[in-house]
Amino acid sequence: DAKTTQPTSMDCAEGRAANLPCNHSTISGNEYVYWYRQIHSQGPQYIIHGLKNNETNEMASLIITEDRKSSTLILPHATLRDTAVYYCIVRPTGTASKLTFGTGTRLQVTL
Amino acid sequence: NAGVTQTPKFQVLKTGQSMTLQCAQDMNHEYMSWYRQDPGMGLRLIHYSVGAGITDQGEVPNGYNVSRSTTEDFPLRLLSAAPSQTSVYFCASSYSIPGADSNSPLHFGNGTRLTVT
Repeated sequence: DAKTTQPTSMDCAEGRAANLPCNHSTISGNEYVYWYRQIHSQGPQYIIHGLKNNETNEMASLIITEDRKSSTLILPHATLRDTAVYYCIVRPTGTASKLTFGTGTRLQVTL
Repeated sequence: NAGVTQTPKFQVLKTGQSMTLQCAQDMNHEYMSWYRQDPGMGLRLIHYSVGAGITDQGEVPNGYNVSRSTTEDFPLRLLSAAPSQTSVYFCASSYSIPGADSNSPLHFGNGTRLTVT
Protein backbone atom coordinates (compact mmCIF):
# COMPACT_ATOMS: atom_id res chain seq x y z
CA ASP A 1 0.00 0.00 0.00
CA ALA A 2 1.11 3.55 -0.63
CA LYS A 3 1.92 5.09 2.72
CA THR A 4 1.25 8.67 3.70
CA THR A 5 3.18 10.99 5.97
CA GLN A 6 1.56 13.96 7.69
CA PRO A 7 2.72 16.35 10.39
CA THR A 8 1.43 15.41 13.80
CA SER A 9 -0.08 18.80 14.53
CA MET A 10 -0.56 22.30 13.14
CA ASP A 11 -2.02 25.58 14.31
CA CYS A 12 -3.94 28.12 12.29
CA ALA A 13 -5.47 31.48 13.16
CA GLU A 14 -9.17 31.81 12.56
CA GLY A 15 -9.96 33.41 9.22
CA ARG A 16 -6.62 32.44 7.71
CA ALA A 17 -6.04 29.64 5.23
CA ALA A 18 -5.03 26.31 6.70
CA ASN A 19 -2.65 24.37 4.48
CA LEU A 20 -2.26 20.74 5.49
CA PRO A 21 0.50 18.82 3.71
CA CYS A 22 0.67 15.12 2.95
CA ASN A 23 3.52 13.11 1.47
CA HIS A 24 2.68 9.99 -0.55
CA SER A 25 5.86 9.38 -2.51
CA THR A 26 5.05 5.73 -3.31
CA ILE A 27 1.65 6.44 -4.83
CA SER A 28 0.74 4.45 -7.94
CA GLY A 29 -0.64 5.96 -11.09
CA ASN A 30 -4.22 4.86 -10.56
CA GLU A 31 -4.48 5.65 -6.86
CA TYR A 32 -6.64 8.49 -5.58
CA VAL A 33 -5.78 10.77 -2.69
CA TYR A 34 -8.59 11.15 -0.15
CA TRP A 35 -8.96 13.53 2.76
CA TYR A 36 -11.16 12.96 5.77
CA ARG A 37 -11.45 14.76 9.07
CA GLN A 38 -12.61 13.74 12.52
CA ILE A 39 -14.05 16.32 14.84
CA HIS A 40 -13.82 15.51 18.47
CA SER A 41 -14.64 11.72 18.57
CA GLN A 42 -17.36 11.88 15.96
CA GLY A 43 -17.14 9.57 12.97
CA PRO A 44 -14.70 10.68 10.28
CA GLN A 45 -16.15 12.95 7.64
CA TYR A 46 -15.24 12.89 3.96
CA ILE A 47 -13.79 16.16 2.66
CA ILE A 48 -12.42 15.77 -0.84
CA HIS A 49 -10.49 13.46 -3.14
CA GLY A 50 -8.46 13.71 -6.34
CA LEU A 51 -6.33 11.79 -8.80
CA LYS A 52 -4.01 14.24 -10.53
CA ASN A 53 -5.87 17.47 -11.08
CA ASN A 54 -6.53 20.05 -8.40
CA GLU A 55 -10.00 19.81 -6.93
CA THR A 56 -12.27 22.21 -5.10
CA ASN A 57 -15.58 21.79 -3.35
CA GLU A 58 -17.58 23.71 -0.79
CA MET A 59 -15.36 22.51 2.04
CA ALA A 60 -11.82 22.68 0.73
CA SER A 61 -9.34 22.62 -2.12
CA LEU A 62 -6.91 19.84 -2.90
CA ILE A 63 -3.64 20.60 -4.63
CA ILE A 64 -1.71 17.59 -5.95
CA THR A 65 1.84 18.07 -7.21
CA GLU A 66 2.59 17.21 -10.80
CA ASP A 67 4.60 14.13 -9.80
CA ARG A 68 1.75 13.17 -7.43
CA LYS A 69 4.17 12.49 -4.59
CA SER A 70 2.55 15.01 -2.30
CA SER A 71 -0.63 17.00 -1.85
CA THR A 72 -1.99 19.86 0.21
CA LEU A 73 -5.45 20.28 1.62
CA ILE A 74 -6.46 23.93 1.84
CA LEU A 75 -9.22 25.23 4.08
CA PRO A 76 -9.45 28.76 2.70
CA HIS A 77 -10.90 30.53 5.75
CA ALA A 78 -10.46 28.35 8.80
CA THR A 79 -12.97 28.63 11.63
CA LEU A 80 -12.94 27.23 15.14
CA ARG A 81 -15.26 24.47 13.92
CA ASP A 82 -12.49 23.24 11.63
CA THR A 83 -10.46 22.13 14.63
CA ALA A 84 -10.12 18.40 14.01
CA VAL A 85 -7.79 15.57 13.05
CA TYR A 86 -7.26 15.48 9.29
CA TYR A 87 -6.42 12.22 7.56
CA CYS A 88 -4.75 11.92 4.18
CA ILE A 89 -5.32 8.50 2.63
CA VAL A 90 -4.22 6.91 -0.59
CA ARG A 91 -6.64 4.35 -1.92
CA PRO A 92 -4.62 1.15 -2.22
CA THR A 93 -4.24 -0.88 -5.37
CA GLY A 94 -6.16 -4.06 -5.97
CA THR A 95 -9.83 -4.75 -5.73
CA ALA A 96 -12.03 -5.03 -2.71
CA SER A 97 -9.46 -3.36 -0.62
CA LYS A 98 -8.97 -1.66 2.61
CA LEU A 99 -8.64 2.05 3.24
CA THR A 100 -5.96 2.52 5.86
CA PHE A 101 -6.09 5.52 8.14
CA GLY A 102 -2.88 6.74 9.74
CA THR A 103 -2.74 9.03 12.75
CA GLY A 104 -3.42 12.22 10.78
CA THR A 105 -2.71 15.89 11.53
CA ARG A 106 -4.34 17.52 14.49
CA LEU A 107 -5.32 21.03 13.34
CA GLN A 108 -5.98 23.55 16.07
CA VAL A 109 -7.71 26.74 14.91
CA THR A 110 -7.27 29.60 17.36
CA LEU A 111 -8.74 33.07 17.79
CA ASN B 1 -31.71 9.23 4.75
CA ALA B 2 -30.38 8.36 8.18
CA GLY B 3 -26.99 7.44 6.73
CA VAL B 4 -24.98 4.99 8.84
CA THR B 5 -26.56 4.18 12.18
CA GLN B 6 -24.67 2.47 14.98
CA THR B 7 -26.14 1.09 18.18
CA PRO B 8 -25.55 1.20 21.06
CA LYS B 9 -23.65 4.46 21.55
CA PHE B 10 -22.07 3.24 24.78
CA GLN B 11 -21.55 -0.23 26.26
CA VAL B 12 -19.78 -1.65 29.29
CA LEU B 13 -19.00 -5.37 29.35
CA LYS B 14 -17.30 -7.69 31.77
CA THR B 15 -14.44 -9.86 30.54
CA GLY B 16 -15.79 -12.97 28.84
CA GLN B 17 -19.19 -11.54 27.96
CA SER B 18 -20.37 -11.48 24.39
CA MET B 19 -22.23 -8.81 22.50
CA THR B 20 -23.10 -7.56 19.05
CA LEU B 21 -22.50 -4.04 17.80
CA GLN B 22 -25.12 -3.10 15.27
CA CYS B 23 -24.56 -1.16 12.07
CA ALA B 24 -27.19 -0.28 9.49
CA GLN B 25 -27.13 1.93 6.41
CA ASP B 26 -30.01 3.06 4.23
CA MET B 27 -28.01 4.25 1.22
CA ASN B 28 -27.95 0.89 -0.62
CA HIS B 29 -24.17 0.75 -0.23
CA GLU B 30 -22.43 -2.43 -1.25
CA TYR B 31 -19.29 -1.91 0.80
CA MET B 32 -19.35 -1.87 4.61
CA SER B 33 -16.56 -2.03 7.14
CA TRP B 34 -15.71 -1.87 10.82
CA TYR B 35 -12.87 0.12 12.36
CA ARG B 36 -11.63 0.50 15.88
CA GLN B 37 -9.94 3.61 17.17
CA ASP B 38 -7.57 3.67 20.08
CA PRO B 39 -5.61 6.69 21.38
CA GLY B 40 -2.53 7.36 19.25
CA MET B 41 -3.33 4.52 16.84
CA GLY B 42 -5.55 6.10 14.23
CA LEU B 43 -8.34 3.95 12.80
CA ARG B 44 -7.63 0.27 12.22
CA LEU B 45 -9.73 -1.92 9.98
CA ILE B 46 -11.27 -4.97 11.64
CA HIS B 47 -13.47 -6.59 8.95
CA TYR B 48 -15.12 -5.51 5.77
CA SER B 49 -17.73 -6.70 3.32
CA VAL B 50 -18.09 -6.05 -0.41
CA GLY B 51 -21.69 -7.23 -0.56
CA ALA B 52 -24.28 -9.45 1.05
CA GLY B 53 -22.81 -12.85 1.87
CA ILE B 54 -19.19 -11.74 1.44
CA THR B 55 -16.85 -10.72 4.25
CA ASP B 56 -13.11 -10.49 4.69
CA GLN B 57 -10.57 -9.66 7.37
CA GLY B 58 -8.86 -6.34 7.89
CA GLU B 59 -5.78 -5.48 9.95
CA VAL B 60 -7.02 -6.54 13.39
CA PRO B 61 -9.71 -9.24 13.00
CA ASN B 62 -8.88 -11.44 15.99
CA GLY B 63 -11.64 -11.64 18.58
CA TYR B 64 -14.32 -10.35 16.20
CA ASN B 65 -16.81 -12.01 13.88
CA VAL B 66 -18.99 -10.45 11.21
CA SER B 67 -21.71 -11.54 8.83
CA ARG B 68 -23.57 -9.78 6.03
CA SER B 69 -26.94 -11.37 5.41
CA THR B 70 -28.48 -8.19 3.95
CA THR B 71 -27.14 -5.17 2.12
CA GLU B 72 -28.29 -2.88 4.92
CA ASP B 73 -26.82 -4.54 8.02
CA PHE B 74 -23.30 -5.46 9.07
CA PRO B 75 -23.14 -6.50 12.75
CA LEU B 76 -19.87 -6.97 14.60
CA ARG B 77 -19.77 -9.71 17.22
CA LEU B 78 -17.45 -9.99 20.18
CA LEU B 79 -17.62 -13.61 21.28
CA SER B 80 -15.66 -13.28 24.53
CA ALA B 81 -14.81 -9.70 25.38
CA ALA B 82 -11.34 -8.83 26.63
CA PRO B 83 -10.04 -5.57 28.16
CA SER B 84 -7.88 -5.12 25.02
CA GLN B 85 -11.11 -4.63 23.08
CA THR B 86 -11.91 -1.47 24.98
CA SER B 87 -12.12 1.04 22.15
CA VAL B 88 -14.33 3.20 20.00
CA TYR B 89 -15.82 1.27 17.09
CA PHE B 90 -16.85 2.89 13.83
CA CYS B 91 -18.86 1.41 11.02
CA ALA B 92 -18.47 2.82 7.52
CA SER B 93 -20.05 2.21 4.13
CA SER B 94 -19.60 3.31 0.56
CA TYR B 95 -21.46 2.90 -2.70
CA SER B 96 -18.76 0.82 -4.28
CA ILE B 97 -15.63 -0.93 -3.28
CA PRO B 98 -12.63 1.18 -2.23
CA GLY B 99 -9.65 0.14 -4.30
CA ALA B 100 -11.70 -0.94 -7.27
CA ASP B 101 -12.12 1.33 -10.24
CA SER B 102 -14.25 3.80 -8.36
CA ASN B 103 -13.85 6.71 -6.04
CA SER B 104 -16.83 6.57 -3.72
CA PRO B 105 -16.06 8.09 -0.32
CA LEU B 106 -16.72 6.30 2.94
CA HIS B 107 -19.63 7.37 5.13
CA PHE B 108 -19.10 6.79 8.84
CA GLY B 109 -21.42 6.28 11.76
CA ASN B 110 -20.91 8.12 15.03
CA GLY B 111 -19.36 5.21 16.84
CA THR B 112 -19.91 2.83 19.74
CA ARG B 113 -17.78 3.41 22.82
CA LEU B 114 -17.05 0.05 24.39
CA THR B 115 -15.43 -0.54 27.77
CA VAL B 116 -14.47 -4.04 28.90
CA THR B 117 -13.66 -4.43 32.58
